[in-house]
Amino acid sequence: AQSVSQHNHHVILSEAASLELGCNYSYGGTVNLFWYVQYPGQHLQLLLKYFSGDPLVKGIKGFEAEFIKSKFSFNLRKPSVQWSDTAEYFCAVNARDSGYALNFGKGTSLLVTP
Amino acid sequence: EAEVAQSPRYKITEKSQAVAFWCDPISGHATLYWYRQILGQGPELLVQFQDESVVDDSQLPKDRFSAERLKGVDSTLKIQPAELGDSAMYLCASSSAGASSGQQFFGPGTRLTVL
Repeated sequence: AQSVSQHNHHVILSEAASLELGCNYSYGGTVNLFWYVQYPGQHLQLLLKYFSGDPLVKGIKGFEAEFIKSKFSFNLRKPSVQWSDTAEYFCAVNARDSGYALNFGKGTSLLVTP
Repeated sequence: EAEVAQSPRYKITEKSQAVAFWCDPISGHATLYWYRQILGQGPELLVQFQDESVVDDSQLPKDRFSAERLKGVDSTLKIQPAELGDSAMYLCASSSAGASSGQQFFGPGTRLTVL
């Protein structure tokens, strides 16, 4: 069975600070990897995804993530956060043999202070 | 831009009552998922449909929960009777077949409060 682990449950940063959120997964086969964001009062939105190819993927709003297969990791990064990045961030994986159902981590709550 | 529709957005009910949630996926999306998100946690799959057929309902508490997608389009998730522990956000997502089938699109969710 797949599992997803997000290392930080709560992160507080000042504006312009750099962000890195850790995500590790366990699964023996080929997976697709995702980062979703949930802004306060809004629904889940896709930040970025990795299916194959270049392990460094760029998403919306200046976010990027790097897939390191040997470490089973898919960490999310942003060089300079803004107050508007305050949100809940979820790492998720899926695979063909599980019908592409998403397996989410517990989420990381990010608070960016002015 | 097409979106997944869900209703109601909010539902407050008393313990032991029946509740139902509705989801209309993006047109043409064959796969539909229902997830439950308890406060402070990530969403967890309840049931997955491919067209009108259930693909996976292993995590659905079948003694009280039921889900259907009769014509392979919209779907209803029902809880009867509701329990206090069912308070959560219920999310619907859909995806299309083919190479992009790994990506799902989420609706706004139904927030259920059981008193």
